[in-house]
Amino acid sequence: DIQMTQSPTTLAASVGDRVTITCRASQTISTWLAWYQQKPGKAPKLLMYKASSLESGVPSRFSGSGSGTEFTLSISSLQPDDFATYYCQQYTSYRTFGQGTTVEVK
Amino acid sequence: QLQLKESGPGLVKASETLSLTCTVSGGSISSNNYYWGWIRQPPGKGLEWIGSINYSGSSYYNTSLKSRVTISVDTSKSQFSLKVTSVTAADTAVYYCARDRGLTSTPGFDPWGQGALVTVSS
Repeated sequence: DIQMTQSPTTLAASVGDRVTITCRASQTISTWLAWYQQKPGKAPKLLMYKASSLESGVPSRFSGSGSGTEFTLSISSLQPDDFATYYCQQYTSYRTFGQGTTVEVK
Repeated sequence: QLQLKESGPGLVKASETLSLTCTVSGGSISSNNYYWGWIRQPPGKGLEWIGSINYSGSSYYNTSLKSRVTISVDTSKSQFSLKVTSVTAADTAVYYCARDRGLTSTPGFDPWGQGALVTVSS
């Protein structure tokens, strides 16, 4: 099974900061990667698919990159609404989620 | 727009079978391009994919759960269902259903249901 590892587990940041989250796959997954945002008590929301394609309606401050085994999700200028937990997910072999990265207030 | 909603008992006794249903509205469950998935989240923990099924009944499961999980579909009711047998406290979680856009041009899970908390009691 493909394992997904995110880093860091927790990230403290301030409004306006540039934030980067990393996701590593245990084997190559090309660009078959999605990113989700989850807020407490809510279902996850799809942000990006195919590693770098922005889901409709998602602000352009979110961007994704990577291929193979290493991927990043970046937020160019952190907004108050962006404090949340972020998950990566591969879909090349079944489906696997990373363990999550929580972006909290510094 | 497409909406999904989970339903089923919120409390299940240990060693028994957990059963949940997801009802799809605002769109067809019978599309060739999509699968329909179950994902769970134990309290305070991360997301775990359970399995996915398409309208014709083709399904695939997380290998760690495969021996205890069955997902089925009823296109006449626009529903798909989850059964987990021999549950333990470790199966206590919020269970989400979601459309699995699979290997389409826009893959990913979207939209999601609101989630249903299932607690396993001893």
